[in-house]
Amino acid sequence: DADVTQTPRNRITKTGKRIMLECSQTKGHDRMYWYRQDPGLGLRLIYYSFDVKDINKGEISDGYSVSRQAQAKFSLSLESAIPNQTALYFCATSDAGTGFRDTQYFGPGTRLTVL
Amino acid sequence: GQQVMQIPQYQHVQEGEDFTTYCNSSTTLSNIQWYKQRPGGHPVFLIQLVKSGEVKKQKRLTFQFGEAKKNSSLHITATQTTDVGTYFCAGSNGGSNYKLTFGKGTLLTVNP
Repeated sequence: DADVTQTPRNRITKTGKRIMLECSQTKGHDRMYWYRQDPGLGLRLIYYSFDVKDINKGEISDGYSVSRQAQAKFSLSLESAIPNQTALYFCATSDAGTGFRDTQYFGPGTRLTVL
Repeated sequence: GQQVMQIPQYQHVQEGEDFTTYCNSSTTLSNIQWYKQRPGGHPVFLIQLVKSGEVKKQKRLTFQFGEAKKNSSLHITATQTTDVGTYFCAGSNGGSNYKLTFGKGTLLTVNP
């Protein structure tokens, strides 16, 4: 959805570098998520936030950190990038109050390559 | 923790053939959602099932939720090349920390 944007769309970096992936949404949703997608492994949850003051680890949070700067912004940081963090990263949002509970609206993704 | 298994991992069909992907959860689910990801794209929500034994249809797509709310299926009748993509199920067990657990997805390719 154009309502969920991610920057950058592609990023190549070197081992040991700190990088930040950013996500913004105009859907007015409280809940935001970061997923990682690897071939054959599906979508794995890294971190999620149910409101600005709420941050929770997902199943694969090691090596990552997040910041919820505002309701509309949720950033993912790799403190010291390593090659096995090469993947496609998706941000998603959801609204717990809608009829379709927690339907995920995904951004276009960021393809990250760590050399 | 909750696990959602999805099979098959890959399915190649001739255009016009039917296709089914199956999803099984290790725990009883509150609801299950299905998503489609076109090649090079992002996952897009298709449908949500909530009730035990629920069946929903979207044109050639039929979605089922098992009686025990632990399994689900997506069936496509007479596949078309536009059906190509990866289909994911995602289940939730509800609760205060409400979040989805995605299956690994089924990649469908269609030979015209």
